[in-house]
Amino acid sequence: KAGVTQTPRYLIKTRGQQVTLSCSPISGHRSVSWYQQTPGQGLQFLFEYFSETQRNKGNFPGRFSGRQFSNSRSEMNVSTLELGDSALYLCASSYTRGGRSGTDTQYFGPGTRLTVL
Amino acid sequence: TQLLEQSPQFLSIQEGENLTVYCNSSSVFSSLQWYRQEPGEGPVLLVTVVTGGEVKKLKRLTFQFGDARKDSSLHITAAQPGDTGLYLCRGGSSGDKLTFGTGTRLAVRP
Repeated sequence: KAGVTQTPRYLIKTRGQQVTLSCSPISGHRSVSWYQQTPGQGLQFLFEYFSETQRNKGNFPGRFSGRQFSNSRSEMNVSTLELGDSALYLCASSYTRGGRSGTDTQYFGPGTRLTVL
Repeated sequence: TQLLEQSPQFLSIQEGENLTVYCNSSSVFSSLQWYRQEPGEGPVLLVTVVTGGEVKKLKRLTFQFGDARKDSSLHITAAQPGDTGLYLCRGGSSGDKLTFGTGTRLAVRP
């Protein structure tokens, strides 16, 4: 079974631009969660989508948005990029809702390394 | 906001040594998971513990959930270079809130 794939793997943007990241979950998984990982803040939850609906959201500004398609693939968009948005963005999929019980197994992709200049 | 503090932040040891990593919080969690993340990869789930006082073993790794379900530890016996990575704990609680710990970066020297 193929794992979680994320594209692109690396991205360089400049301040003020916008960016779209893509995540393809494991086949059959309906939940996709997004995380931001930085050396200073660690791994922080952005949002979770399940059956095309956002089910849970972290404490990030409205510049961060996402969506999920009927085939469970998900995209994350960041508008008006800031230097502080430079990070590794991780996507994780699970069969059930990833945040529901805390016991679900989430499978992470390799991440997209975003650098904002 | 529930915080999960991990200690130590960094650990560099020689192959064959033992080590313990801690995950502490002032909040009670219904469950706790440990992940390992290797460079260039996403975190991979190692174990889930749900009962206070629970101990789980995975080969040379021993995981313990505190009796009060506020803390957890990960003990590695006879560490090997392949154990190198970032170890993350994640706590589950009601209200669909999940929190990742601050992480412990482990380097095992051959």
